[in-house]
Amino acid sequence: LAKTTQPISMDSYEGQEVNITCSHNNIATNDYITWYQQFPSQGPRFIIQGYKTKVTNEVASLFIPADRKSSTLSLPRVSLSDTAVYYCLVGDLAPASNTGKLIFGQGTTLQVKP
Amino acid sequence: GEEVAQTPKHLVRGEGQKAKLYCAPIKGHSYVFWYQQVLKNEFKFLISFQNENVFDETGMPKERFSAKCLPNSPCSLEIQATKLEDSAVYFCASSPPDRGYSNQPQHFGDGTRLSIL
Repeated sequence: LAKTTQPISMDSYEGQEVNITCSHNNIATNDYITWYQQFPSQGPRFIIQGYKTKVTNEVASLFIPADRKSSTLSLPRVSLSDTAVYYCLVGDLAPASNTGKLIFGQGTTLQVKP
Repeated sequence: GEEVAQTPKHLVRGEGQKAKLYCAPIKGHSYVFWYQQVLKNEFKFLISFQNENVFDETGMPKERFSAKCLPNSPCSLEIQATKLEDSAVYFCASSPPDRGYSNQPQHFGDGTRLSIL
């Protein structure tokens, strides 16, 4: 799995848009970019996954530039309940290719303030 | 079920005792993974199963840790002769059969917090 770098922590206020950028300079051709969210006392939850350009779902958007060496998770109009740790993972996560194990980095702790 | 169910939520054991954790994966999922989260954000992969077969056990400290996924039973992770350093949250995750052309996300349970006293 490609090594990723993301900010250790971020602060935001309710109602703001939050963008968390992840660097992955060594991303390989077959690699996907996947983001997980972890609330205190819970397991990580899949948020979004993409390969290139832009992906949007009901929770977030994922922006991936053409060179794919970075990606940005965008959370629109955050609320207090979005306070969590956000993990960026890059790799060919299919079990047949990688045995499927996820390697989490330190993640970004997002603190949303009122 | 539609969620990964882990039991118990919290387990307390004295040093040297045995600890056994259980995980019921989502119905229809072929892969089961166990992870250990010791410090706040640090995950360590332990072992994975494809159905009842060990798929990858490169993360398992085999001298005291063992795991099984038997048909029609919850998967289990057992730690013999626990040590203080085994105190952690243990997460189980499952994922659908590998279709070979997409990256299926893993679905995590809410973990078992193991406290060794």
